[in-house]
Amino acid sequence: GAGVSQSPSNKVTEKGKDVELRCDPISGHTALYWYRQRLGQGLEFLIYFQGNSAPDKSGLPSDRFSAERTGESVSTLTIQRTQQEDSAVYLCASSLSASAEQFFGPGTRLTVL
Amino acid sequence: KQEVTQIPAALSVPEGENLVLNCSFTDSAIYNLQWFRQDPGKGLTSLLLIQSSQREQTSGRLNASLDKSSGRSTLYIAASQPGDSATYLCAVVPISSGSARQLTFGSGTQLTVLP
Repeated sequence: GAGVSQSPSNKVTEKGKDVELRCDPISGHTALYWYRQRLGQGLEFLIYFQGNSAPDKSGLPSDRFSAERTGESVSTLTIQRTQQEDSAVYLCASSLSASAEQFFGPGTRLTVL
Repeated sequence: KQEVTQIPAALSVPEGENLVLNCSFTDSAIYNLQWFRQDPGKGLTSLLLIQSSQREQTSGRLNASLDKSSGRSTLYIAASQPGDSATYLCAVVPISSGSARQLTFGSGTQLTVLP
């Protein structure tokens, strides 16, 4: 079947604007992760969803970041009042369950001017 | 806090060589370890997953080993090809990650295979 998909692939926005990033996980994968990769840095965990359980938001860098997921389907990551330091590639991953093999989408490259 | 280190940061080899990429982690309490490749401007492709109870996994020309007690993993690539050129990332799921079981990544090894 199809892999993890993300949209848009690229997003350029002005400082202070809100942005919404979308992730479509692999069908049947109950676990969904968001990571961030800033230029020259490693991947950082942002948030985790598992089925209908409360998400693990421990990696979100500030309260400007939020994410939603309905059941085991699409997830959206929202960044409010974007700052230049939010510029990064945002990667989504899904897996059959927590600690199972994670499969990544192609990412959304966010540039905040 | 779990830290993952990959050495070298960059490696260049002629086509046909066998090579080894190294990964070390500071806390041996992990659920599993996963190797990925990342091509420029693209997402991550999963290569191999080794559960904490396993010693190695093989897929085609790739072989990954895990020595949990010493906090080390190696990725062996046999008969390297120019198409293997990419950044290789090692990541672990620490037991300390709680219910999320999120990955902790190394900074990667940028591999160039010269034709």
